[in-house]
Amino acid sequence: QSALTQPASVSGSPGQSITISCIGTRSDIGVYDYVSWYQQHPGKAPKLMIYDVSHRPSGVSDRFSGSKSGNTASLIISGLQAEDEADYYCISYTTSSTRVFGTGTKVTVL
Amino acid sequence: QEQLVQSGAEVKRPGASVKLSCKASGYTFTDFYINWVRQAPGQGLEWVGRFSPKSGSRKYAQQFQGRLNVTTDTSTSTVYMDLSGLRSDDTAVYYCTRDLFPVWELQRSAFDLWGLGTMVTVSS
Repeated sequence: QSALTQPASVSGSPGQSITISCIGTRSDIGVYDYVSWYQQHPGKAPKLMIYDVSHRPSGVSDRFSGSKSGNTASLIISGLQAEDEADYYCISYTTSSTRVFGTGTKVTVL
Repeated sequence: QEQLVQSGAEVKRPGASVKLSCKASGYTFTDFYINWVRQAPGQGLEWVGRFSPKSGSRKYAQQFQGRLNVTTDTSTSTVYMDLSGLRSDDTAVYYCTRDLFPVWELQRSAFDLWGLGTMVTVSS
């Protein structure tokens, strides 16, 4: 199972919106709505930001949202803030009953 | 409070085995899957496997088949990950994580509780 494809880096100015894509296949994202997203700051454990494509856990800012179209899931961060600078990863359930992470995206706030 | 406490750092020789522990507290241990995720230095996250403390069912990523064994001690709410035939590319931080959904949700998966990670270094 190959890793899902994410852009290596995305940047934006404070207050702007950015979108991180996560491209899979008909064996994972294209079949299931079981995509979640994680934020990871350096030296820290990842934090769940979105589950089931578009649901936010309690305590996560509503500036974070998710969507899916075909084989591609997306994480949208609106009103970009300095604290959003981190690495972001997607993960999906697969037809092999396993899970596969994305390659990861480094978000830089300019 | 809910937490996962992982064992300390390990240094192993190539070919050796390592056994990591993950002790859960603050919630009903058998109701939620435990997943293992690893991260090599400077690299991305990699899903290792999923384990049900209730049924003992296991699902591993294909690249770990034959080298990985996950077990549990329900009396202490602890999950163990045993990885054998260690190679230098097994050097990584290994995280245990809890699934957001209960064990009867076979497909839905999201990791809402994380341990701090255990650093495993494989070097001759």
